[in-house]
Amino acid sequence: DSGVTQTPKHLITATGQRVTLRCSPRSGDLSVYWYQQSLDQGLQFLIQYYNGEERAKGNILERFSAQQFPDLHSELNLSSLELGDSALYFCASSEGPLPSSEQFFGPGTRLTVL
Amino acid sequence: AQSVAQPEDQVNVAEGNPLTVKCTYSVSGNPYLFWYVQYPNRGLQFLLKYITGDNLVKGSYGFEAEFNKSQTSFHLKKPSALVSDSALYFCAVRDMTTNAGKSTFGDGTTLTVKP
Repeated sequence: DSGVTQTPKHLITATGQRVTLRCSPRSGDLSVYWYQQSLDQGLQFLIQYYNGEERAKGNILERFSAQQFPDLHSELNLSSLELGDSALYFCASSEGPLPSSEQFFGPGTRLTVL
Repeated sequence: AQSVAQPEDQVNVAEGNPLTVKCTYSVSGNPYLFWYVQYPNRGLQFLLKYITGDNLVKGSYGFEAEFNKSQTSFHLKKPSALVSDSALYFCAVRDMTTNAGKSTFGDGTTLTVKP
């Protein structure tokens, strides 16, 4: 158990809908990362937050947004969902924001868009 | 831009034999390199990392990896494979010169260890 929690574990929804994925980092970790894992695109970095501020952005679609709250939990919002958004979404956390920081991954949220 | 290549989708070895999972990388600055393992329906687990110093890095569960700057490689190795090592392995790179933790992952290599 990495100490990173993600809810829900599974999510099934329809095209055009909006969902929110939640992540609680390990105790003491200030940085949160979101990754998408899909069969066709592999494991891709979406976005990083550090202490409430956006730190780095990857291949995140405009339909997706994220934020990190004062209690350091993070939410990833996915809107106008398409079939291709079906994937496993991972959250990771680290103590610091730097590339040397070890990232600890949560168990993931499996999103199925029908 | 940064990228990682894992040239083998699948590696099969017999239990007790040595294993190697290959990884090459490209990054504009100096690299930080990582190996993760993923078991079915689980998140990624950290195995080892190269930040600086000795080119041979030792990690969890008896795994090690060798950083080779001239060949831009970071191959994962284990002297004696176990059936329980069967899993999906990911290599990842981060650019040392950035101030963020953006990771670029390879496509993954499925390791199967047969008894």
